[in-house]
Amino acid sequence: GENVEQHPSTLSVQEGDSAVIKCTYSDSASNYFPWYKQELGKRPQLIIDIRSNVGEKKDQRIAVTLNKTAKHFSLHITETQPEDSAVYFCAARLLDSWGKLQFGAGTQVVVTP
Amino acid sequence: EAQVTQNPRYLITVTGKKLTVTCSQNMNHEYMSWYRQDPGLGLRQIYYSMNVEVTDKGDVPEGYKVSRKEKRNFPLILESPSPNQTSLYFCASSLARTTEQYFGPGTRLTVT
Repeated sequence: GENVEQHPSTLSVQEGDSAVIKCTYSDSASNYFPWYKQELGKRPQLIIDIRSNVGEKKDQRIAVTLNKTAKHFSLHITETQPEDSAVYFCAARLLDSWGKLQFGAGTQVVVTP
Repeated sequence: EAQVTQNPRYLITVTGKKLTVTCSQNMNHEYMSWYRQDPGLGLRQIYYSMNVEVTDKGDVPEGYKVSRKEKRNFPLILESPSPNQTSLYFCASSLARTTEQYFGPGTRLTVT
């Protein structure tokens, strides 16, 4: 089955700097890659997603890149702000699987003023 | 307001005492799923359902049961809870398999 590895597990950045989180997946059939943000004590919420027919997607300060050949995708947060502090999860879905969304272990991002 | 609700939000129970965590969504979503979240392990899928009366196992189904008798409800049943089921549980729903999953607020379960 699909296996998703996420690095780093913790990331500390100064406010205004960029943050990058990387994920690798094992199954080349995966074609949908969402990223979720979970603030302390709250539920995960989708912040951006990418499909395998697209190499990059941006939404304001957030961008996701996908390298299908290398089977990895990354989340980029530019001009970080204290409210970006949270746990971020990447995920990958198998092409023909209705249910199996495989999550990475998460990255704790701390943005210090 | 479109939402996924879970009850209870917090539960402390003892080993072997059957319990049910309810999940309900008001968005007419086809797909619903249960996850457990443990430190360092991320979100692991327990069971999912593609529609009424259609369910399947996720990655960690042992010790859990589900049912989908109505489209809006997807309860998680622990027939004989054990301490290793102490965790934070999330229910989620989505319109289709590649659309956004909306998570419930979570249920923190402690089994002593």
